[in-house]
Amino acid sequence: GNSVTQMEGPVTLSEEAFLTINCTYTATGYPSLFWYVQYPGEGLQLLLKATKADDKGSNKGFEATYRKETTSFHLEKGSVQVSDSAVYFCALNYNFNKFYFGSGTKLNVKP
Amino acid sequence: GAVVSQHPSRVICKSGTSVKIECRSLDFQATTMFWYRQFPKQSLMLMATSNEGSKATYEQGVEKDKFLINHASLTLSTLTVTSAHPEDSSFYICSAIIQGAGTEAFFGQGTRLTVV
Repeated sequence: GNSVTQMEGPVTLSEEAFLTINCTYTATGYPSLFWYVQYPGEGLQLLLKATKADDKGSNKGFEATYRKETTSFHLEKGSVQVSDSAVYFCALNYNFNKFYFGSGTKLNVKP
Repeated sequence: GAVVSQHPSRVICKSGTSVKIECRSLDFQATTMFWYRQFPKQSLMLMATSNEGSKATYEQGVEKDKFLINHASLTLSTLTVTSAHPEDSSFYICSAIIQGAGTEAFFGQGTRLTVV
């Protein structure tokens, strides 16, 4: 079956620290991979996506590369800001139907 | 970008009562909406797929008589939790998709339901 596993949080970092949130998946076929972010009191927002192996999604300084050989889609940012504090969800999807989500990782960035 | 509005954001209700959650696509028409729920420290799990003008498709293990879904228009889907029990306490979130070139999914802000 299809599933997504991401590291448990919360992750607490100081401002300007390097961020990695691990995400691995189990899937049949070739899904698209996503990172969504949820700021307090708001809905999930698409942060970045990759639709095929070796694609790199990037947005707002965040990056993730679709690694088929390791079935991973780790989220990275070189220098986090307080405003990046949020919950991050890794997800996979086929043809924009059903999403399979990870459990979410809460990121706290301290000044 | 497109906006999906979900209401209410938080609700507390007594056991045995029913609660209705609304999901609206504000600036686009959504032929298909999805309802998810999330238990603490667990993934968002799809409950059902809601299609405008037809019956919802429920995922295995989801009680369709307990979680009533109505998608009466292209901009509104509702989820009603009937005869709520404390174990129904959860975070419910809806999603709508715009299909076509660059198909994308948009999510509501979620509803925190607490049944006491």
